[in-house]
Amino acid sequence: KNEVEQSPQNLTAQEGEFITINCSYSVGISALHWLQQHPGGGIVSLFMLSSGKKKHGRLIATINIQEKHSSLHITASHPRDSAVYICAVARGGSQGNLIFGKGTKLSVKP
Amino acid sequence: DAGITQSPRHKVTETGTPVTLRCHQTENHRYMYWYRQDPGHGLRLIHYSYGVKDTDKGEVSDGYSVSRSKTEDFLLTLESATSSQTSVYFCAISAQGRDYGYTFGSGTRLTVV
Repeated sequence: KNEVEQSPQNLTAQEGEFITINCSYSVGISALHWLQQHPGGGIVSLFMLSSGKKKHGRLIATINIQEKHSSLHITASHPRDSAVYICAVARGGSQGNLIFGKGTKLSVKP
Repeated sequence: DAGITQSPRHKVTETGTPVTLRCHQTENHRYMYWYRQDPGHGLRLIHYSYGVKDTDKGEVSDGYSVSRSKTEDFLLTLESATSSQTSVYFCAISAQGRDYGYTFGSGTRLTVV
């Protein structure tokens, strides 16, 4: 079983819809990251959070440490939000690496 | 103003040849990482560096070596390229490590024929 699971794997939405992408993990963590990978391949860091909730524009990220779960919400979705969204966790108590989910591919239709 | 650049962006090479990919940063960040991205897998760590001449292996380090002789440059070398190393390679930097923000390079698409 993967240590980081994302759902859904693929998501198609109509412009303007509210979107939720979920991330569940099975290890203790010190931080969780949400990344966006554009169709051209570039990767952008959206959020890093260790508790609670963060908001940036139309994007909101929440984390529940007890339930080992995080969600990324997009309000008023737009075709330019079409991308792959990747969840990654920093395993607590160890050096170095992030553990990445396989990503959620979002397509927003006009 | 990218802060991090990878070169080359694309490369085709033959099996058995050595290949070096370069990651260059202008942010003076301590941590630098090399990842590979393959269909069906999340990003996987190859090697990382936590300072000049300080490096460590990641989960898929076999067949790869790295060097960091200057803060700004982190080189990834495929000693003898194989078809299984065909992938997209990403470099990333972080000021303070995995509990802080990351900045990714644009990626290098490597094809080994």
